[in-house]
Amino acid sequence: KQEVTQIPAALSVPEGENLVLNCSFTDSAIYNLQWFRQDPGKGLTSLLLIQSSQREQTSGRLNASLDKSSGRSTLYIAASQPGDSATYLCAPDRGSTLGRLYFGRGTQLTVWP
Amino acid sequence: DTAVSQTPKYLVTQMGNDKSIKCEQNLGHDTMYWYKQDSKKFLKIMFSYNNKELIINETVPNRFSPKSPDKAHLNLHINSLELGDSAVYFCASSQLRTEQYFGPGTRLTVT
Repeated sequence: KQEVTQIPAALSVPEGENLVLNCSFTDSAIYNLQWFRQDPGKGLTSLLLIQSSQREQTSGRLNASLDKSSGRSTLYIAASQPGDSATYLCAPDRGSTLGRLYFGRGTQLTVWP
Repeated sequence: DTAVSQTPKYLVTQMGNDKSIKCEQNLGHDTMYWYKQDSKKFLKIMFSYNNKELIINETVPNRFSPKSPDKAHLNLHINSLELGDSAVYFCASSQLRTEQYFGPGTRLTVT
C-alpha cells in the first residue's frame, strides 16, 4: 500500500520567499506524480504532473522534481505571493492500477504581505 | 466553460435517506473518478470508470453505488445514509494515466 507523507504540515512565510515543499512515498513503482493546490472550500487544481521517466517539470514560478528510486518529490515555489496561500497536495499514482492516486495530507501554506 | 461540474454543491439530509450526486465532464476524457475527503481533509479514491467500465472499486460500503450512463457522466448514489458519510465528495476526470481534473466538490451533511 502506498503511504504519502508531506512535510511540513504547515508553513507561514512573508511574501517574496522561495519555498520548498516535500513529499515522500513508500512505493517507488509509480507511473506519474501530480501536485495539486486546494483553496478553502474549493476543489483541487492541478499544478504539475511529472511522469516517472522525468526528473523535473516547471510551470511559471513552480518547479517540481521527482526522485522515483528514493520515493521523493519536491515542489519549489519561487518568489511566493499571498495568492499562493492554499493547501498543496502531492499524489503519486500506483503503477499497477490505472489512474489510482494516493494523496498526502498536504502542506498548508500561508504567505503574508 | 466548466470542465468538471457536480450537482448539488451542498446536500443536507437525514440518516437513512437515499441521495445521489451527479458529475459531468466536457473535456472528452475516458476516465472518471469519485473521491471522498473526510473531516480531516484526507482525500481517498472510491471508484473509477474507464469508458463506462468500473476499473477501481476501493473498500467502500455497498451502500455506495456509482453509475456511468456514458463517458461524460458519473453519478454516485448512496443508500441508507449514515452520519459517517458526511464529507466532501469530489468527482474528477482524465485521459487514462494523465492529469486528473477535479470538480468543485459536493459537501454532504448527514444529520
